Amino acid sequence: SQQGEEDPQALSIQEGENATMNCSYKTSINNLQWYRQNSGRGLVHLILIRSNEREKHSGRLRVTLDTSKKSSSLLITASRAADTASYFCATSGGSGNTGKLIFGQGTTLQVKP
Amino acid sequence: EADIYQTPRYLVIGTGKKITLECSQTMGHDKMYWYQQDPGMELHLIHYSYGVNSTEKGDLSSESTVSRIRTEHFPLTLESARPSHTSQYLCASSELGLGRTDTQYFGPGTRLTVL
Repeated sequence: SQQGEEDPQALSIQEGENATMNCSYKTSINNLQWYRQNSGRGLVHLILIRSNEREKHSGRLRVTLDTSKKSSSLLITASRAADTASYFCATSGGSGNTGKLIFGQGTTLQVKP
Repeated sequence: EADIYQTPRYLVIGTGKKITLECSQTMGHDKMYWYQQDPGMELHLIHYSYGVNSTEKGDLSSESTVSRIRTEHFPLTLESARPSHTSQYLCASSELGLGRTDTQYFGPGTRLTVL
């Protein structure tokens, strides 16, 4: 079964608002990554946070990682209609891991203009 | 955009046909993956490869097979397609080596419909 669980499953906001998505995982990790998927397309890597980091920024994206709670959050500030997509967290590393990523179930974000 | 390509993008075929989904990457990555994904749902790893002549089954049982004869090419074959194979198939690649982050680069996907 997938390690990651994402919350909420679906999120609908107005343009200009902030969007927050959460991800929980079960085993130890080397890093946690966030990906974006536009409808009917492949995934695109957004940002990576290593297990020894607590927060990371990239443009309008802010990622936090709490390894004691085995959770991460992705914040998109000042959202735009073009941010409408599905967002997946993925973990790398941990016991028994052979280099594969474990993907969460995804959060579908709709940004209304 | 990553340098990883999938063909065809869309395929509609009849039950019982043999099909091959193509995936190629020009990044020289050793690791390649195939995922199956239903619309709006999670990704399921069905096959992966860590190099030429190396292939492994993923977490989700699949009736498909793969081959890795060249580093850049990782085709997926269904010998006899069935309606239950209707799905989106995503190919991805990543680097192998010390200090790797396992970041994966995805192709655009193949949307398969079996009638």
